[in-house]
Amino acid sequence: AQKITQTQPGMFVQEKEAVTLDCTYDTSDPSYGLFWYKQPSSGEMIFLIYQGSYDQQNATEGRYSLNFQKARKSANLVISASQLGDSAMYFCAMREWGTALIFGKGTTLSVSS
Amino acid sequence: GAGVSQSPSNKVTEKGKDVELRCDPISGHTALYWYRQSLGQGLEFLIYFQGNSAPDKSGLPSDRFSAERTGGSVSTLTIQRTQQEDSAVYLCASSLYDSALHFGNGTRLTVT
Repeated sequence: AQKITQTQPGMFVQEKEAVTLDCTYDTSDPSYGLFWYKQPSSGEMIFLIYQGSYDQQNATEGRYSLNFQKARKSANLVISASQLGDSAMYFCAMREWGTALIFGKGTTLSVSS
Repeated sequence: GAGVSQSPSNKVTEKGKDVELRCDPISGHTALYWYRQSLGQGLEFLIYFQGNSAPDKSGLPSDRFSAERTGGSVSTLTIQRTQQEDSAVYLCASSLYDSALHFGNGTRLTVT
């Protein structure tokens, strides 16, 4: 069975600093995908970044990068140069091929000036 | 183009009543998901439709919950005999096969 763990209920960072949000997963399927979503206080779910299990390089999207360590089964999100607008809840999610996308419990990020 | 549309945006119902929540996915998307999110909590998976395959209903919390997807498009989540613990935001999402999910704005359900 799939399992996604986000161990940091809350994180605090100052503007312009980088922050890493942790995510570990558990699966026995060699084919899977990892996703990160952002949920601001408005409630909308915003897709940030995707990493496939067979991807050789870490995914990057602008200020977001995914630190994929397959052997450790970790998929940490790195946000560089934090902005006030990054304050939100962040969810890690995983899907084995052809199955439902399952989310972790989330990490609340607070960015201060 | 149009995103995922959910209706109603808010629903207040009395305990014991049945409710129906509707989701219009993005046209052409093959997969459709329902999740439930309680205040300040994560997303709880409810049900997953993928094309013509049998839906994955493993997340439905009780037999009071059911969902159908007609014509591979619109989906309705039905909660029978609602209870106060059913109060939450119900989120629908769609995707093209296993690509990233696009979410609707949710239906906030309050059971009084």
